[in-house]
Amino acid sequence: AIWMTQSPSLLSASTGDRVTISCRMSQGISSYLAWYQQKPGKAPELLIYAASTLQSGVPSRFSGSGSGTDFTLTISCLQSEDFATYYCQQYYSFPRTFGGGTKVEIK
Amino acid sequence: QVQLVESGGGVVQPGGSLRLSCAASGFTFSSYGMHWVRQAPGKGLEWVAFIRYDGSNKYYADSVKGRFTISRDNSKNTLYLQMNSLRAEDTAVYYCAKDHTAGSFTFPFGYWGQGTLVTVSS
Repeated sequence: AIWMTQSPSLLSASTGDRVTISCRMSQGISSYLAWYQQKPGKAPELLIYAASTLQSGVPSRFSGSGSGTDFTLTISCLQSEDFATYYCQQYYSFPRTFGGGTKVEIK
Repeated sequence: QVQLVESGGGVVQPGGSLRLSCAASGFTFSSYGMHWVRQAPGKGLEWVAFIRYDGSNKYYADSVKGRFTISRDNSKNTLYLQMNSLRAEDTAVYYCAKDHTAGSFTFPFGYWGQGTLVTVSS
């Protein structure tokens, strides 16, 4: 299985901040990396796939980068609705695996 | 619009069985690979199982292999998860999720249902 290390696990930030979340793979996965947002009590929603492709309807303040083993999710200007938990996920191989999650909370 | 509605969750004793269903609408169900993903209370996401659009290939997490069976009925637009020999550590919200794109290539989870809670407790 491909292991994923996501950091930080908790991020305290203010509205308007630029935030970055990292995801590192135990082996290369090309660009088969997705990012999801989950709000309390809700199902996750796809934000970015293929490492950097924005899902339809997702605001452009979200962006993704990386390939191989190191990936990054950036929110350029944090909005109130962005306070949530974010997960990276690889779909290069089975079993599909997720990072441990990053909770973005209000500072 | 796309809808995935899970059902069948509930409280079951250790060693018991449960069958989850996921009713799909708003897209051509028979063209999409489907997954089950679970989330234990207060924990992260764990992928459970996948079935190809035509049911010809299935994959499972090691934690459920030999105990859980994924299946689908494309005539009823429904995905299933048969769970046997349930353990306390299987307690979680179970989500069904569709592949982002139709076909047999590898895709992220494009859309998720709202989930159904399974509690394994005596």
